[in-house]
Amino acid sequence: EAGVTQFPSHSVIEKGQTVTLRCDPISGHDNLYWYRRVMGKEIKFLLHFVKESKQDESGMPNNRFLAERTGGTYSTLKVQPAELEDSGVYFCASILLTGRTEAFFGQGTRLTVV
Amino acid sequence: GESVGLHLPTLSVQEGDNSIINCAYSNSASDYFIWYKQESGKGPQFIIDIRSNMDKRQGQRVTVLLNKTVKHLSLQIAATQPGDSAVYFCAEKFRPAGTALIFGKGTTLSVSS
Repeated sequence: EAGVTQFPSHSVIEKGQTVTLRCDPISGHDNLYWYRRVMGKEIKFLLHFVKESKQDESGMPNNRFLAERTGGTYSTLKVQPAELEDSGVYFCASILLTGRTEAFFGQGTRLTVV
Repeated sequence: GESVGLHLPTLSVQEGDNSIINCAYSNSASDYFIWYKQESGKGPQFIIDIRSNMDKRQGQRVTVLLNKTVKHLSLQIAATQPGDSAVYFCAEKFRPAGTALIFGKGTTLSVSS
């Protein structure tokens, strides 16, 4: 069974540009989470999807970030326009069902905004 | 070598030693705790978990201790190996299901041969 996969693995963009990150969760996993680790600090929650619905987006830093999960399968996280402080590693995680506690993480997308 | 007490951002040990990584969690209402290991270029990987109705849980070479009185969590790794070198994160949940993980500050463990 394939794990959680994220694309791209690395992205370097200029300030003001747009970047779209993609996450493919484990097939059948209803719960999908986005997290971010900035400058070697702790990993911080961004948002949580249950199928195609946003369950909790309290961690989204501002309206430059837009997450979608059309059809309840893969998810995208768009940053537009990107700022220098958006640099970091963006992780996606999926969990099979509410009540199942182990979250499976993707390898992350390292975003560098210059 | 081993370290107890306060959280340290880095920990260096010799192969074969026991390691102790500490974490202070934030919410007294948290009832589920997990340790993750993150190797370079990879995402966090589940190691072991513990519920708040327990104070100790053992896995293979790893033990997690929970002290709810002082909101402290620790991960003990027995006979540390070079392959254990990674960043270790503790995480907490307010409920077992359906809520996000709140991660602590990571500890970078370096194991030398």
